[in-house]
Amino acid sequence: DTGVSQDPRHKITKRGQNVTFRCDPISEHNRLYWYRQTLGQGPEFLTYFQNEAQLEKSRLLSDRFSAERPKGSFSTLEIQRTEQGDSAMYLCASSLVGSRAFFGQGTRLTVV
Amino acid sequence: EDQVTQSPEALRLQEGESSSLNCSYTVSGLRGLFWYRQDPGKGPEFLFTLYSAGEEKEKERLKATLTKKESFLHITAPKPEDSATYLCAVEPDYKLSFGAGTTVTVRA
Repeated sequence: DTGVSQDPRHKITKRGQNVTFRCDPISEHNRLYWYRQTLGQGPEFLTYFQNEAQLEKSRLLSDRFSAERPKGSFSTLEIQRTEQGDSAMYLCASSLVGSRAFFGQGTRLTVV
Repeated sequence: EDQVTQSPEALRLQEGESSSLNCSYTVSGLRGLFWYRQDPGKGPEFLFTLYSAGEEKEKERLKATLTKKESFLHITAPKPEDSATYLCAVEPDYKLSFGAGTTVTVRA
């Protein structure tokens, strides 16, 4: 399967713990996006990379969130000191410049 | 600010009962309007991109149309496997701005 891969698919964590998610984009895609989706809502943009450069971060991305894309390949999204409000589906997508985005299956985070 | 509103929030159909979903949008500059299908617990799956008013695209029982202020997704003679949440999104620049979606349930 050469689609966008996310790991883990599900994560349950206690409030205050740190979590890290991984996204492997389609190999030739130079853009990578992170979105967050809560129940009953559409995905909301968090941040995006072109190659290894992080070009925009949404106001939704508080200081507790950090994303990296070393060497322009896979990306990680880390949430520090998780809160119950962080519970959501975290979606990764990738694309070539000027073409449509392909989404992964998401990581479902539950903070208890 | 870009805004996408989808209606209705939920739609229950009998198998074979055709219907339409609406997506109205305000955006500073439209590079594309996208329709995605999302099954529970999964990521969005691409259906269509529309670029200019008057454009139409079809795939099996689905047909998407675009005007200057809204888009419609027509479902013709739906089957139970068409049950899903349908998401509309606009792309004013390089990122997508989504509506909340319409959840369609098709009963056999």
